[in-house]
Amino acid sequence: QVQLQQSGPGLVKPSQTLSLTCAISGDSVSRSSDAWNWIRQSPSRGLEWLGRTYYRSRWYNDYAPSVRSRITINADTSKNQFSLQLNSVTPEDTAVYYCAGGSALNCWGQGTLVTVSS
Amino acid sequence: DIVMTQSPDSLAVSLGERATINCKSSQSVLYSSNNKNSLAWYQQKSGQPPKLLIYSASTRESGVPDRFSGSGSGTDFTLTVSSLQAEDVAVYYCQQYYDTPLTFGGGTKVEI
Repeated sequence: QVQLQQSGPGLVKPSQTLSLTCAISGDSVSRSSDAWNWIRQSPSRGLEWLGRTYYRSRWYNDYAPSVRSRITINADTSKNQFSLQLNSVTPEDTAVYYCAGGSALNCWGQGTLVTVSS
Repeated sequence: DIVMTQSPDSLAVSLGERATINCKSSQSVLYSSNNKNSLAWYQQKSGQPPKLLIYSASTRESGVPDRFSGSGSGTDFTLTVSSLQAEDVAVYYCQQYYDTPLTFGGGTKVEI
């Protein structure tokens, strides 16, 4: 059974970078049939997909237009994990952030409440 | 972006009764190459991440009780809970994975 374990700070200052990591157990980040996603949830925006990384002979990324200029998702095969970096955050980026696997998202991390505040 | 519209926003159902949730996509999510709809349903209980119930519009995820069923094709989809149990109180979401950005419906809150 695939399990995802998130880590990262719960408080980020405005204009700084939000960084989260998702460690995978029970699967490989580079398995060619999977995609690894970041999603956030807030009362104002609901569930919002941010982007994904996946391996199909080489690494690909897809990002949501709403964050494309500020987001990077990377995979680390040596640690079997993937990460989210969101630059230049504002209070509007305050949300619960989830990592999830698949396209139909069949496994989820536990969620991390990230608050953007000085 | 494909817009997902769910109805109703909330639903109160008696124990043992049927709950029906609708989801409409702004464009078809049916892949003609394999005749599968790229549509999933999730259940989210308070303080938990969403849980996948249904994928390909009508295929139950492993371990999901058979009182949950999905139907529909193209742009119109339905999630049915045939006999509501107390543990089914949650918010339910549809999601399309036909194209990026992946998008979710606004959610339907189901109460007893």
